[in-house]
Amino acid sequence: EAQVTQNPRYLITVTGKKLTVTCSQNMNHEYMSWYRQDPGLGLRQIYYSMNVEVTDKGDVPEGYKVSRKEKRNFPLILESPSPNQTSLYFCASLGTGFKAFFGQGTRLTVV
Amino acid sequence: QKEVEQDPGPLSVPEGAIVSLNCTYSNSAFQYFMWYRQYSRKGPELLMYTYSSGNKEDGRFTAQVDKSSKYISLFIRDSQPSDSATYLCAMSADNAGNMLTFGGGTRLMVKP
Repeated sequence: EAQVTQNPRYLITVTGKKLTVTCSQNMNHEYMSWYRQDPGLGLRQIYYSMNVEVTDKGDVPEGYKVSRKEKRNFPLILESPSPNQTSLYFCASLGTGFKAFFGQGTRLTVV
Repeated sequence: QKEVEQDPGPLSVPEGAIVSLNCTYSNSAFQYFMWYRQYSRKGPELLMYTYSSGNKEDGRFTAQVDKSSKYISLFIRDSQPSDSATYLCAMSADNAGNMLTFGGGTRLMVKP
């Protein structure tokens, strides 16, 4: 089954404690992306990757890092999380015809 | 001003109604237009996409693009309670889809 798997689904952490949200896809897609979803603001792109070792900033990259060492994995790293990064995060990989496959989401709370 | 504007709703309609969901945008470079549906606690799923202006129909769903007015619509005929979800429009200027710009989403509730 084609899928994008994110972990964890829910995370509560404290300000400044480094965390990583993992994302893995099994469709051999080259393009992957991270979004955050906030009420009234829709989905905003954080970073995207067009292939292994190729990443670029989206609309809201500040405070985030990514890496793409393998095609299937695209982790999102928050080196020093802050409360304004409390949000719902989605990883997506893009197939043909603009069909983006989204993960189940990670609800992050930073206190 | 946001690049893509979408009324957040909620939009509440009775079962069987025709639903019209809309987005306006400001970037004239957008050429590819998509509608995603997002159920509660799930990631968005692609419903339809269209290129440039015109209409596209898929079952009960019709997507319409008017590039001259920078306005896109999604019509749902014979709406069902299972259509209750948030609908997000998305747009891209290139066919690689590197930068999908999403609207904020409209929450739709179809009541039995």
